Amino acid sequence: ETGVTQSPTHLIKTRGQQVTLRCSSQSGHNTVSWYQQALGQGPQFIFQYYREEENGRGNFPPRFSGLQFPNYSSELNVNALELDDSALYLCASSVGLAGRSYEQYFGPGTRLTVT
Amino acid sequence: GIQVEQSPPDLILQEGANSTLRCNFSDSVNNLQWFHQNPWGQLINLFYIPSGTKQNGRLSATTVATERYSLLYISSSQTTDSGVYFCAVETQGGSEKLVFGKGTKLTVNP
Repeated sequence: ETGVTQSPTHLIKTRGQQVTLRCSSQSGHNTVSWYQQALGQGPQFIFQYYREEENGRGNFPPRFSGLQFPNYSSELNVNALELDDSALYLCASSVGLAGRSYEQYFGPGTRLTVT
Repeated sequence: GIQVEQSPPDLILQEGANSTLRCNFSDSVNNLQWFHQNPWGQLINLFYIPSGTKQNGRLSATTVATERYSLLYISSSQTTDSGVYFCAVETQGGSEKLVFGKGTKLTVNP
């Protein structure tokens, strides 16, 4: 059984650029959630996708957007990067039913640095 | 939104000591998970425990949902237990999936 994978591992971007992060969910999971973790803080929920539709969103601006594909993998897109977007981005997958998800399993993360 | 408070924020132990980490939450929850974050940032699942008690080796956890708290027990601690321990909850009917506390940073010295 393959766990949650994320790519790339590290990324350096310039302020104002756009970035796409990728996540492959664990086998058998239909729900993917994205989190942002700033240095020294706990992860913060960005949004969740359940069966290709957004199923909950945290307090992040619209320049954070996402997609989920038919194979349940997912992308996180961030436009107009700001210095404060520098963080570890974590993807988690789980088995979900409409309205709730169960135990979430996290990938290793993508460390984004914006200069 | 729901508030998740973890205590203590920092804990330093000698190898072999026992410890208890606490997580208080301000509303009813569907899910509660405990994680250990290693130095490379990987969140490792310890327990999925919305209620009741579970044990896994030297670790055990108890959630008392009616009183809105959960406890993580670490017995006979080892240096490899060092890292940050997070409690995270999902509220009933909430739009946020897994709200994390600020974590407890555990250091186990040899």
